[in-house]
Amino acid sequence: GEDVEQSLFLSVREGDSSVINCTYTDSSSTYLYWYKQEPGAGLQLLTYIFSNMDMKQDQRLTVLLNKKDKHLSLRIADTQTGDSAIYFCAEDRDSSNTGKLIFGQGTTLQVKP
Amino acid sequence: KAGVTQTPRYLIKTRGQQVTLSCSPISGHRSVSWYQQTPGQGLQFLFEYFSETQRNKGNFPGRFSGRQFSNSRSEMNVSTLELGDSALYLCASSLALAGGRADTQYFGPGTRLTVL
Repeated sequence: GEDVEQSLFLSVREGDSSVINCTYTDSSSTYLYWYKQEPGAGLQLLTYIFSNMDMKQDQRLTVLLNKKDKHLSLRIADTQTGDSAIYFCAEDRDSSNTGKLIFGQGTTLQVKP
Repeated sequence: KAGVTQTPRYLIKTRGQQVTLSCSPISGHRSVSWYQQTPGQGLQFLFEYFSETQRNKGNFPGRFSGRQFSNSRSEMNVSTLELGDSALYLCASSLALAGGRADTQYFGPGTRLTVL
């Protein structure tokens, strides 16, 4: 099917790690992305991973990719209240390479002080 | 470098009217994509333009159209507005790599359209 699936809500305490999960459908997707959206704002690119990689680390962010299970995760270390937002995973599912992104429904991350 | 800019940021229209939204990509980016975001349907791809040509189109009715100018700026138009067109319209720009492949997409702040 078309759907990229994410859990809808995650609540953590400040200072804990957050793990946001995503399953995608197209094994031929070349890039997988994580975007962050704060209230009233557009999408901010957080990080991305190429499909031939298993892991990518960027400061507090760690992306893990399991191609066999079509599972993507975003780990945020030392989560801060400023990390409260909606997080979207997206796959670049376009064989014509025009960059059509298919998004999950978004995971709302709530960080409690 | 300035980011993607979209104008206007907010718009209120009534059913049956038409609307034009504008997007200025990051300098040097030649690919522009448009997405619609609603609470019910989430983020959905509308279309993508590169070198003034529409290369890809999502599953939207013909009332939704767009164009791109020689300076890569893009506009989208929605005619005969319906209540269900109320949404956040997001524009994204990306570099065009060798062969025209669109690279990582950077999004603007969006235009919030309300149809009454």
